[in-house]
Amino acid sequence: GENVEQHPSTLSVQEGDSAVIKCTYSDSASNYFPWYKQELGKGPQLIIDIRSNVGEKKDQRIAVTLNKTAKHFSLHITETQPEDSAVYFCAATLVSASKIIFGSGTRLSIRP
Amino acid sequence: GAVVSQHPSRVICKSGTSVKIECRSLDFQATTMFWYRQFPKKSLMLMATSNEGSKATYEQGVEKDKFLINHASLTLSTLTVTSAHPEDSSFYICSASTLAGALSDTQYFGPGTRLTVL
Repeated sequence: GENVEQHPSTLSVQEGDSAVIKCTYSDSASNYFPWYKQELGKGPQLIIDIRSNVGEKKDQRIAVTLNKTAKHFSLHITETQPEDSAVYFCAATLVSASKIIFGSGTRLSIRP
Repeated sequence: GAVVSQHPSRVICKSGTSVKIECRSLDFQATTMFWYRQFPKKSLMLMATSNEGSKATYEQGVEKDKFLINHASLTLSTLTVTSAHPEDSSFYICSASTLAGALSDTQYFGPGTRLTVL
């Protein structure tokens, strides 16, 4: 069925280095791709999103790229800081069912 | 802007009782609200989608008689877990969007409700 695959499941990077999380989706009609950050015991927080008519979007240390041909999109965090440690979820619209499908999540740890 | 609240944040109840969780959009009108369930270290699982003034659409495998959803106004949706059992213990999260459906609009999430059924 329709799904969103996310890799890696866990990621540990040195403070100050960059982190990259990748997702692929199967519904070629998907047109909206949000990224969420979830801290322990809290609800997901939208950190950045991209729509299908754009290839890249940047907001300070966070950027997202979208390759519609290959059906994959990535989250890039530069100059990582301890407060970036959290679980990150990618998501994509499932147009036929009018809902968003979430990836399985990436647990990001920033080493001091 | 786009703040969603949930109440209560935590609830502990006895098996067989019913529990109501409220989800409110504080600074915008939510045409559509979503209810998710999340198990430890797992992703979000959509339970149902509700549009204001109409019946909720439940995902396959979700018992509509057990998880009652009401979206009575553009700022409030409630999830009632009826006759709760220990296996219903979970983290329940709601989200809200300003357009009908999730195709092109952002979902803003609430802080979640931790339900523990003894």
